[in-house]
This record gives sequence, C-alpha cells and structure tokens, in this order.
Amino acid sequence: GAGVSQSPSNKVTEKGKDVELRCDPISGHTALYWYRQSLGQGLEFLIYFQGNSAPDKSGLPSDRFSAERTGGSVSTLTIQRTQQEDSAVYLCASSLTGQSSYNEQFFGPGTRLTVL
Amino acid sequence: SQQGEEDPQALSIQEGENATMNCSYKTSINNLQWYRQNSGRGLVHLILIRSNEREKHSGRLRVTLDTSKKSSSLLITASRAADTASYFCATRDTGRRALTFGSGTRLQVQP
Repeated sequence: GAGVSQSPSNKVTEKGKDVELRCDPISGHTALYWYRQSLGQGLEFLIYFQGNSAPDKSGLPSDRFSAERTGGSVSTLTIQRTQQEDSAVYLCASSLTGQSSYNEQFFGPGTRLTVL
Repeated sequence: SQQGEEDPQALSIQEGENATMNCSYKTSINNLQWYRQNSGRGLVHLILIRSNEREKHSGRLRVTLDTSKKSSSLLITASRAADTASYFCATRDTGRRALTFGSGTRLQVQP
C-alpha cells in the first residue's frame, strides 16, 4: 500500500513569510509525528498526534510553529514568519498507534525547506 | 534536544568488510531502534531491540544493547556498496511517545 507522503518535496521561501507543509500518513495509522533534521544532524522531535487526543507539542521550538491534524488523517505543519534557522528537512512519520512502545514509525520522504 | 551520540561520525570500508557503529544514550528507555537514511531524506526502519533484550539479529544486521552502559551497537556483516547511507539510533524513552535520535554515522562502502 501507499506509504507516508509529504508535500511539497522542496520549498524555498523568503525570511518572514509563512509556510505550510503537508503530511499524508498511512491509512489506518492513528499516530503521526513531525520531526525536523538540520544539515548533517539527527532528527529533532517537534509534535505528536494520537487519535483525537490533545497533541504533544513539547518539541515545538517557538510559538511560530504550529500543527494541526484534521479528521485524524492529514496533518499540516505551519511555520509563521520564517527565519533562516528554520531551514531544514521536515519529516513526518506515522505508526499504527503511539500507545505501544513497539510500533514501528514509517517515515515520509520529507520536505526540504530553505529560508533565504 | 539530541540525547544520542553515535560514533564514529563517519566510516569508510571496503565491500565485504564488516561495519560497526555505536550509539550511547542518557535516559531510561523502552526500546532502541536503528534507522537508515539515504541521501538525507526518508528513513527506513532496520531493527528494534527491547530494553530487556541484549542481542538481536536480522539478516546481515546484528544489534546489541547494554542498558547498564546505556549503549548499543549495530554490526553490518559482509557489507555491500548499497549499504552506503547514514545510520541513526533512536530511543523510545520511558514515558515518551516520540523517538529521540542520535546524530548518526555516515557509512561509505567502497566497491
């Protein structure tokens, strides 16, 4: 079946503009995660959604970052007033459920964001 | 923040040789996972080892976990050029849902 998809694959924007990144999880997966990866680094957790529960936003670096998940499926990560340090690859992952410690997370191909 | 540290940061070997990567972490974990990433994009899950396990095998992969030392190693045997990628360890920390990733090891397998 289809994996996790993300769009756009690349986004170039000017400093100060807002951007929206989209993630389509695997059908039936109730858990969705956003991570970001700066050049040459590991992944940094941003936010986690599990079903209809309140999201875990503990990884969001500032109030310029927000995310929503509509209908328990598609998620949008929004970055307002982008800064150059926001440049990174933003990766989305989904799993059957986040409530089991042993569910594999399936990753999308990522969106490479470049803020000029 | 990144809690995992991996070494080496980069590793270059010849095809057919074994590659060993190490990962250290700081907190209490439920499990530790290894991922592979090609070309800086999507990650592929390789293997998961639970906190009560010490060793696990999957094909040419062998993972060990030492919870007393808070460390893990990934061994790739009989490496192939196609194994060239970055490898990350990730921990599922107790009480957390998201994974905490290490900084990765870039493996280059020369044909």
